[in-house]
Amino acid sequence: GEEVAQTPKHLVRGEGQKAKLYCAPIKGHSYVFWYQQVLKNEFKFLISFQNENVFDETGMPKERFSAKCLPNSPCSLEIQATKLEDSAVYFCASRLTGTGLFSPLHFGNGTRLTVT
Amino acid sequence: EDQVTQSPEALRLQEGESSSLNCSYTVSGLRGLFWYRQDPGKGPEFLFTLYSAGEEKEKERLKATLTKKESFLHITAPKPEDSATYLCAAFYFLGNEKLTFGTGTRLTIIP
Repeated sequence: GEEVAQTPKHLVRGEGQKAKLYCAPIKGHSYVFWYQQVLKNEFKFLISFQNENVFDETGMPKERFSAKCLPNSPCSLEIQATKLEDSAVYFCASRLTGTGLFSPLHFGNGTRLTVT
Repeated sequence: EDQVTQSPEALRLQEGESSSLNCSYTVSGLRGLFWYRQDPGKGPEFLFTLYSAGEEKEKERLKATLTKKESFLHITAPKPEDSATYLCAAFYFLGNEKLTFGTGTRLTIIP
């Protein structure tokens, strides 16, 4: 598709429950990024993929967060045993592979996760 | 520490009143500076990429410029539909590709 598609738009989970978020990147884009946006617009990088391979996972909380990008499937971000502080909007973004200049990220409209 | 700082945090302008938003960065080896617009409940929408000091890009009422320490987003004769949060993000290389966002400027244009 021509847009990054994220589902669901909203997700409510009780503390300790699992949450799974999905992202379909723009067709032809081989890099996928996950960001967490909390209060005051702060964007926190979580993880990036080049195709199905993890490219950079330096932002991922190792204990409860995991992510995958498998061929012919939407990418996913899973949070096991959610905590109140996981409440945020999770954005997925994709970009073209390129040589030379860095092409911009194109964002989806996010999944708002509320942990109660 | 690598940082991207935007100012002001919020800006209210009358329709037609021109102004500038600032994005200052302290990153090593900047490869590019992006500007995005974010509307409430939406993801950031790409506006511009600037790659080197002295570069300028324009789109309708917006013009982005870049120096070695900061970028400006100039808005000329804004309209109410320009109201949004404007984000800048610095792309640099530190062992791996890094993209760091500023916290944005919330722009409100009053009719």
